[in-house]
Amino acid sequence: GAGVSQSPSNKVTEKGKDVELRCDPISGHTALYWYRQRLGQGLEFLIYFQGNSAPDKSGLPSDRFSAERTGESVSTLTIQRTQQEDSAVYLCASSRPGQGVDSNQPQHFGDGTRLSIL
Amino acid sequence: AQTVTQSQPEMSVQEAETVTLSCTYDTSESNYYLFWYKQPPSRQMILVIRQEAYKQQNATENRFSVNFQKAAKSFSLKISDSQLGDTAMYFCAFMRNSGNTPLVFGKGTRLSVIA
Repeated sequence: GAGVSQSPSNKVTEKGKDVELRCDPISGHTALYWYRQRLGQGLEFLIYFQGNSAPDKSGLPSDRFSAERTGESVSTLTIQRTQQEDSAVYLCASSRPGQGVDSNQPQHFGDGTRLSIL
Repeated sequence: AQTVTQSQPEMSVQEAETVTLSCTYDTSESNYYLFWYKQPPSRQMILVIRQEAYKQQNATENRFSVNFQKAAKSFSLKISDSQLGDTAMYFCAFMRNSGNTPLVFGKGTRLSVIA
């Protein structure tokens, strides 16, 4: 079946512009996660959704970052007034609902959006 | 807060040989999950192996196995019969056992398999 899809694959924009990144999770996956990966670094958690609510936004680095999700479907991550330090790969992941003792399900990742701020 | 440490930024191994990647973590939780993900140049994160902390038996997936030492908070990955396609970044990750929650990642180890 289809995996997690992210668009665009690459985005180059000027400092100060707003950008919107899109994530289509695997069908039936109720949880959706956004991570950021700076060059040569591990992944930093940004925000995650259970359905269309966001229980944990603690990773968002500033109020320029926001995200929303429609139902258990598409999510968009918006960065306003982009800065050069926002340059990174933004990865989205989704996971299906947990069941019983196996409440934690593996996360399946998309290919990411490489964002470059000039 | 949980932290994950990978102390080997880079490693190399000859094709067909065995290599072990180290990972330690810090948590006050008693039950949790640990993962190894592989990230080739294509950028996609691929799940390699998963370990539930309540299970004493080490997880294995074909050529990949882990050495999970809960008391020492250590979770190393062993790759046997290394193949050129194993060349990638490898990330160790931690997840709390409270439903689906975000992963906490280490900084990764770049593995190069040499022909």
